[in-house]
Amino acid sequence: TQLLEQSPQFLSIQEGENLTVYCNSSSVFSSLQWYRQEPGEGPVLLVTVVTGGEVKKLKRLTFQFGDARKDSSLHITAAQPGDTGLYLCAGDPGSSNTGKLIFGQGTTLQVKP
Amino acid sequence: GAGVSQTPSNKVTEKGKYVELRCDPISGHTALYWYRQSLGQGPEFLIYFQGTGAADDSGLPNDRFFAVRPEGSVSTLKIQRTERGDSAVYLCASSPTRDVTGELFFGEGSRLTVL
Repeated sequence: TQLLEQSPQFLSIQEGENLTVYCNSSSVFSSLQWYRQEPGEGPVLLVTVVTGGEVKKLKRLTFQFGDARKDSSLHITAAQPGDTGLYLCAGDPGSSNTGKLIFGQGTTLQVKP
Repeated sequence: GAGVSQTPSNKVTEKGKYVELRCDPISGHTALYWYRQSLGQGPEFLIYFQGTGAADDSGLPNDRFFAVRPEGSVSTLKIQRTERGDSAVYLCASSPTRDVTGELFFGEGSRLTVL
């Protein structure tokens, strides 16, 4: 069974601090996505990474896909209260990107003003 | 609206009852997915449709769960003889194509509580 382990599970920081969330697996994924979910809503896609070693930046968010395509990280610079939410990594284990995603258990981020 | 619509948003039922959850995907999206999210967990894949057919139903936990998409648009997830362990948020997502290196568009979910 392919699993994605996220760490930490909970993170509470002050506004302006930096943080990194990790997503690790022993399995290779053809692509990996990061989603953000707010209470009462569905996950919203932040980024998709498909190439080993790939780095993508989205404003203050930096996403990295491991060289072996088994792990990923999300780094947030100068966190703001609006970044509060549940961050989920999700991988497609197949070779044809079917959308049958395996999700990590999520990282709950709280940014205090 | 232009997004994925799910009804009901909340459903409370008694153990042993039958439940239907509806998903109206984004117009023109051919792929439709059902996921289940328990409290404190990430979503768990249940089934996905490409058009009218179930392309992969390997995530359905047992034969009490069934889903249909008869006209290739709206889908209904059906749960028979509900159990307390079925309590969760059921998320529907759609995608314009089978190749989802792009994006899955999720609805807000249907929260099911089985008493």
